[in-house]
Amino acid sequence: DPKIIQKPKYLVAVTGSEKILICEQYLGHNAMYWYRQSAKKPLEFMFSYSYQKLMDNQTASSRFQPQSSKKNHLDLQITALKPDDSATYFCASSQEDTQYFGPGTRLLVL
Amino acid sequence: SQLAEENSWALSVHEGESVTVNCSYKTSITALQWYRQKSGKGPAQLILIRSNEREKRNGRLRATLDTSSQSSSLSITATRCEDTAVYFCATAPSSGSWQLIFGSGTQLTVMP
Repeated sequence: DPKIIQKPKYLVAVTGSEKILICEQYLGHNAMYWYRQSAKKPLEFMFSYSYQKLMDNQTASSRFQPQSSKKNHLDLQITALKPDDSATYFCASSQEDTQYFGPGTRLLVL
Repeated sequence: SQLAEENSWALSVHEGESVTVNCSYKTSITALQWYRQKSGKGPAQLILIRSNEREKRNGRLRATLDTSSQSSSLSITATRCEDTAVYFCATAPSSGSWQLIFGSGTQLTVMP
């Protein structure tokens, strides 16, 4: 059974629209993260949450907003989508030093 | 700029051979991690080696850490086709930091 679920697996959006990427983890971890991986750049850290509180934000744009409705959920809302937002977005969770990654959501913005 | 960077873009070997991926980093670290990412999947941690450790093993994998030269290596022995993946080293920018900073990765291809 998958321990970190990301939905949807693939997402196509038009420029200017808004999308929400879903992440649920069933590892019992208190910390959750979002990373982005695009063809042009290495895997990039975006946000970290611990006990549903924002701990670190390395995303310059306010168009990216994490949302944690439950301890094991960390969704990512992206507004005013741009073609440059096209990437695979990975959710991860950790208890100590090891981060466990989900399968990713591949976003394509046209 | 990247805190950690692998030294090769791509490597290819034949099954059964050994291979080493190297990584260099720029700042003092508390630990360095090696991750593997197979096509279409998320990264998975292979080994975490702390700054007071010189070597760590995990089955066919062996990681070394040289804090004086700020470098690390990951060796894989008896490679298999399923070892084909991108291998990343990753560090945290400071002690207690929540984020991991990944290198660009080395694509390893293991041929039959």
